[in-house]
Amino acid sequence: DGGITQSPKYLFRKEGQNVTLSCEQNLNHDAMYWYRQDPGQGLRLIYYSQIVNDFQKGDIAEGYSVSREKKESFPLTVTSAQKNPTAFYLCASSSSDRGGFSNQPQHFGDGTRLSIL
Amino acid sequence: GNSVTQMEGPVTLSEEAFLTINCTYTATGYPSLFWYVQYPGEGLQLLLKATKADDKGSNKGFEATYRKETTSFHLEKGSVQVSDSAVYFCALSPREGGKLIFGQGTELSVKP
Repeated sequence: DGGITQSPKYLFRKEGQNVTLSCEQNLNHDAMYWYRQDPGQGLRLIYYSQIVNDFQKGDIAEGYSVSREKKESFPLTVTSAQKNPTAFYLCASSSSDRGGFSNQPQHFGDGTRLSIL
Repeated sequence: GNSVTQMEGPVTLSEEAFLTINCTYTATGYPSLFWYVQYPGEGLQLLLKATKADDKGSNKGFEATYRKETTSFHLEKGSVQVSDSAVYFCALSPREGGKLIFGQGTELSVKP
């Protein structure tokens, strides 16, 4: 079955440590996204990529980094510069049509819950 | 700028009650509109969408109509079930860029 796989499901970070969250999709989608979700809040965009080897900052990119070396993969690194990393992280992907990406829904993974030790 | 405002939750209903979750938006141009649902501990699933004015999206008994004149996309269901208990997110995608902008979510709890 096609879909998005995020791993691990739970992750713990120590002080001063960088951690990397994995996101893989087999939907052949061009675009991939990372969101952060805090309790009782909507989703906030961290980074997104619409093509391999290219990505753009979202609304809350500080303290995070990404890469897009393959179409299927869009890992997110939470660096030690992110002082409040505890959150639920969601990865998504979408295809495009003649109108671009705006008409196409995003497909989400099941998320990674990151906590500080 | 672009933004989405949803009615605050939690919303608690009895089984078979009528559901409305209000969503209004601010956007330049003509965005696409979406409703997503999130069950506990999971990611978001697309519930329905509408890409132009007066379009009605529908799925699993849920409906929403894209109202340009009132900049609204209210979610409705005629008879809710316990299994509909979840958090519902309204979102818009501007014509340019394709990024999704989410409302804050509305938690729905349906009691038997």
